[in-house]
Amino acid sequence: AQSVSQHNHHVILSEAASLELGCNYSYGGTVNLFWYVQYPGQHLQLLLKYFSGDPLVKGIKGFEAEFIKSKFSFNLRKPSVQWSDTAEYFCAVNSGGYQKVTFGIGTKLQVIP
Amino acid sequence: DAGVIQSPRHEVTEMGQEVTLRCKPISGHDYLFWYRQTMMRGLELLIYFNNNVPIDDSGMPEDRFSAKMPNASFSTLKIQPSEPRDSAVYFCASSPGTTNQPQHFGDGTRLSIL
Repeated sequence: AQSVSQHNHHVILSEAASLELGCNYSYGGTVNLFWYVQYPGQHLQLLLKYFSGDPLVKGIKGFEAEFIKSKFSFNLRKPSVQWSDTAEYFCAVNSGGYQKVTFGIGTKLQVIP
Repeated sequence: DAGVIQSPRHEVTEMGQEVTLRCKPISGHDYLFWYRQTMMRGLELLIYFNNNVPIDDSGMPEDRFSAKMPNASFSTLKIQPSEPRDSAVYFCASSPGTTNQPQHFGDGTRLSIL
């Protein structure tokens, strides 16, 4: 069974600081990887996804993620966070041609002005 | 594009009552998912459908929970009888028929069982 680990459950940063959120998955085959964001009181929205090609994926709002197959990782990065990035971030994976997606526990990011 | 539509947005009811949550997926999406989100357990998949047929209901916590999808544009999640520990935000999501496409989430139903 596939699983997703997000190592940081709660991150607090000042505006303009750089962000990196860790995500590791456990599955040896072909995977599709996603990062979703959930702003306070809202539903989950797709931030970016990877399914093939360039392992460095760029998403909306200046976010990017790098797929490192050898490390089973898909870390999310942003060079300079803004107060409006305060939200919860979820890493997710599906694999083996299955539609079922496994979500990580989520990382709450708080950006202090 | 109307997105995934869930109703009601909020539901407060007393323990023991029947609760029905509703979802209208995006037109043309073959898959529909029901999730439950709590502080303690995060986002849990309860059940998902493909072309109106339940594929995996292993996440449904108990027999008190049931889900149906009578047609491609409507699904329900029912809890009967409800208990305080069912209090959570319930999300519905839909996706097209290919695995590399993301799921689109509704705004959720915030359920409080007193």
